[in-house]
Amino acid sequence: DSGVTQTPKHLITATGQRVTLRCSPRSGDLSVYWYQQSLDQGLQFLIQYYNGEERAKGNILERFSAQQFPDLHSELNLSSLELGDSALYFCASSFRPGPNQPQHFGDGTRLSIL
Amino acid sequence: ELKVEQNPLFLSMQEGKNYTIYCNYSTTSDRLYWYRQDPGKSLESLFVLLSNGAVKQEGRLMASLDTKARLSTLHITAAVHDLSATYFCAVPSALDSNYQLIWGAGTKLIIKP
Repeated sequence: DSGVTQTPKHLITATGQRVTLRCSPRSGDLSVYWYQQSLDQGLQFLIQYYNGEERAKGNILERFSAQQFPDLHSELNLSSLELGDSALYFCASSFRPGPNQPQHFGDGTRLSIL
Repeated sequence: ELKVEQNPLFLSMQEGKNYTIYCNYSTTSDRLYWYRQDPGKSLESLFVLLSNGAVKQEGRLMASLDTKARLSTLHITAAVHDLSATYFCAVPSALDSNYQLIWGAGTKLIIKP
């Protein structure tokens, strides 16, 4: 158990809809990362937060947004969903950004768009 | 731009055999991480290599880092079926203050009983 909690575990919805994925980092970790993993794209970094502030953006679509709240949990919002958004979405956390900070991953949310 | 390349991307082997997965990266870094992922599951941290020449071992897996060659290896000794998984290496990029992890594409390892 990594200590990172993601909800829900599974989500099935239709094209055009909006969903919110939630992540609680490990106790004591201040930094949260979101990743998308699909069969044909591998592991894609989306966005990073540190202590409530956005620190880095990766390949995140404009239809996607995220935030980290004062209690350090984070939410990833996906809107105007398309079939290609079907993927595993992982949240990871670390104490802070840095080269000596391995990331600890949650179990992921499997999103299926019908 | 930092690039991380793993090879092979797919490996099918028999139990009891030895094999090595390679992870090459394109710019200077003296840190590297290895992760394991079972199908449909989370990524589990295996090894954190923090310096040139670092070697870590756990069970049948041994990882090493050569920062001069920009190469890490993950060696599997006398493979067993339970080691079947996808293995990722990741390198923190020093190109920004966040040391963003740059991920390899993963090596899917299948070990046949």
